[in-house]
Amino acid sequence: QVQLVQSGAEVKKPGASVKVSCQASGYTFTDYAITWVRQAPGQGLEWLGWIAPYNGDTKYSQILQARVTLTTDTPTSTAYLELRSLTSDDTAIYYCAFGTDLPYYFDSWGQGTLVTVSS
Amino acid sequence: DIQMTQSPSSVSASVGDRVTITCRASQGIYSWLAWYQQKPGQAPKLLIYAASVLQSGVPSRFSGSGSGTDFTLTISSLQPEDFATYYCQQAKSFPSITFGQGTRVEIK
Repeated sequence: QVQLVQSGAEVKKPGASVKVSCQASGYTFTDYAITWVRQAPGQGLEWLGWIAPYNGDTKYSQILQARVTLTTDTPTSTAYLELRSLTSDDTAIYYCAFGTDLPYYFDSWGQGTLVTVSS
Repeated sequence: DIQMTQSPSSVSASVGDRVTITCRASQGIYSWLAWYQQKPGQAPKLLIYAASVLQSGVPSRFSGSGSGTDFTLTISSLQPEDFATYYCQQAKSFPSITFGQGTRVEIK
């Protein structure tokens, strides 16, 4: 079955970078774009960006555009989110997601990766 | 950017109650709207897409309506497993999507 498995929790110091992975299985990785969303503790969902594995196209949140990079590795069916210059405001659960037959909505989600930024 | 505003931010209800949650878009989004349910410690779950289409496997007590700027999620008879937070998501500007701030459905 379709599955997105994310990397484990991270603890980072302010100013550091973090790279979260999202490994896909159960479908052809290049068939669907991956969206990244985060959720700060007790807060709502924030869109971070989108990447199309089939051609490498990306789209980023304007707020984070200068600090975030999305990439994919097709041989391993893995998507990556890298966030630089971390602050405490980046403490959140980071999710990857996509829509299997619904390209604009998300019916498959990773389990989430908690990134904690603390000195 | 398209802003999504949900109301109320929280609602207290009893099992069997009818619950209605509203989502308003800052500009017209046709029917490019989804609803998600999120329980603590879990990823969001897609309930409804295209404003009114029930996702496969979602109970029929959930329904969605609306188009343009005003949308509604209705739970016709609240069940114990429905206590959760609900989010709307606009897809008109996909891939630059936005979510509402969430509505928490609590036990009365």
